[in-house]
Amino acid sequence: DQQVKQNSPSLSVQEGRISILNCDYTNSMFDYFLWYKKYPAEGPTFLISISSIKDKNEDGRFTVFLNKSAKHLSLHIVPSQPGDSAVYFCAASRGSNTGKLIFGQGTTLQVKP
Amino acid sequence: DSGVTQTPKHLITATGQRVTLRCSPRSGDLSVYWYQQSLDQGLQFLIQYYNGEERAKGNILERFSAQQFPDLHSELNLSSLELGDSALYFCASGPTGSNQPQHFGDGTRLSIL
Repeated sequence: DQQVKQNSPSLSVQEGRISILNCDYTNSMFDYFLWYKKYPAEGPTFLISISSIKDKNEDGRFTVFLNKSAKHLSLHIVPSQPGDSAVYFCAASRGSNTGKLIFGQGTTLQVKP
Repeated sequence: DSGVTQTPKHLITATGQRVTLRCSPRSGDLSVYWYQQSLDQGLQFLIQYYNGEERAKGNILERFSAQQFPDLHSELNLSSLELGDSALYFCASGPTGSNQPQHFGDGTRLSIL
């Protein structure tokens, strides 16, 4: 049972345009959502997060939107840069004191110069 | 640099053998998490330790075990290795409490021949 899904394995955008990465979840108990970026041969790097009490969180070029009714979150990158080319994972956790993360399968973003 | 250190970076061994993966968390983080990433898969939560005690368990095989020492570093022990255990093993650390991002090491790539 995959509780967090990223249905697009890959995405290609032109430099300067917007990248939109999507993530769906099934467990309504999730209350904290995160996006990580991963380059080859490196560990995931934390990008941005959002609590379920919010519907938007912004940090520089990165904005995460949460639609609880649709159980959907998205990551917007504006403007996209070639250095953003990486695998992006969304993750979720439940309101407990463990903090364990449930990850999606990842979306490979390619930003073309 | 996430501040999380994992050793070794690569490990090659044979079926039936036992290996130990090591993780040093970020300074001040009490929680250590272990995740497994098999080929083309998302990260799967294995186990969490908090201040020396097991806090949460995922789908960790009985052949695998972990511990966290008084200096907060953690070790993941994998025994009776099988070909299917070949994967990337990531360690993450996080502060106390939920709704806080975890920060990942660069992983140990385990190859079983």
